[in-house]
Amino acid sequence: RKEVEQDPGPFNVPEGATVAFNCTYSNSASQSFFWYRQDCRKEPKLLMSVYSSGNEDGRFTAQLNRASQYISLLIRDSKLSDSATYLCVVPRRGDKIIFGKGTRLHILP
Amino acid sequence: NAGVMQNPRHLVRRRGQEARLRCSPMKGHSHVYWYRQLPEEGLKFMVYLQKENIIDESGMPKERFSAEFPKEGPSILRIQQVVRGDSAAYFCASSPGTGQNQPQHFGDGTRLSIL
Repeated sequence: RKEVEQDPGPFNVPEGATVAFNCTYSNSASQSFFWYRQDCRKEPKLLMSVYSSGNEDGRFTAQLNRASQYISLLIRDSKLSDSATYLCVVPRRGDKIIFGKGTRLHILP
Repeated sequence: NAGVMQNPRHLVRRRGQEARLRCSPMKGHSHVYWYRQLPEEGLKFMVYLQKENIIDESGMPKERFSAEFPKEGPSILRIQQVVRGDSAAYFCASSPGTGQNQPQHFGDGTRLSIL
């Protein structure tokens, strides 16, 4: 299993729909995880941190499944502005973190 | 409260020249990371530095690339004798310290184009 693996997509979802995607990781010792979003040709921006079972922030919910070693990101009532690439981030030893290659999301009007 | 500052935003060099990319971390952050992103690809870790120390350079090419984070001033990523394949976006990130709970915050990046 790769250290961090994501479905590259693209996910084409109509506006207002709910979409979810997963990220699997191989290091069972990882304690915290992050979701970043990256818009085309821009820098990654921190979206959510996931430290325990999950985290919710408005329309966004991140969940952690330690037994199966994956984290998920759920977006409800999707907006056009949610179109981006979503990067899963898993810390490794020390401060080194591993970025997934990202899942591309297109919200369709 | 300024974020991570990178300059220049865009840098054009001819093959064989040197490129210097600068990064000032967020205030209070002592850890700096450099990443490279090729078009349509993911972020690739290059190097992790603390003040005056390189902690992990496992992602840095062995030749032509070097990085420093001096006691005073910004972190510098230096690419000597650039080639076309060095064209990419180079992102710098910083974090306040150790521990897995510390997310990294990114600068706007430097887009390097090699003619």
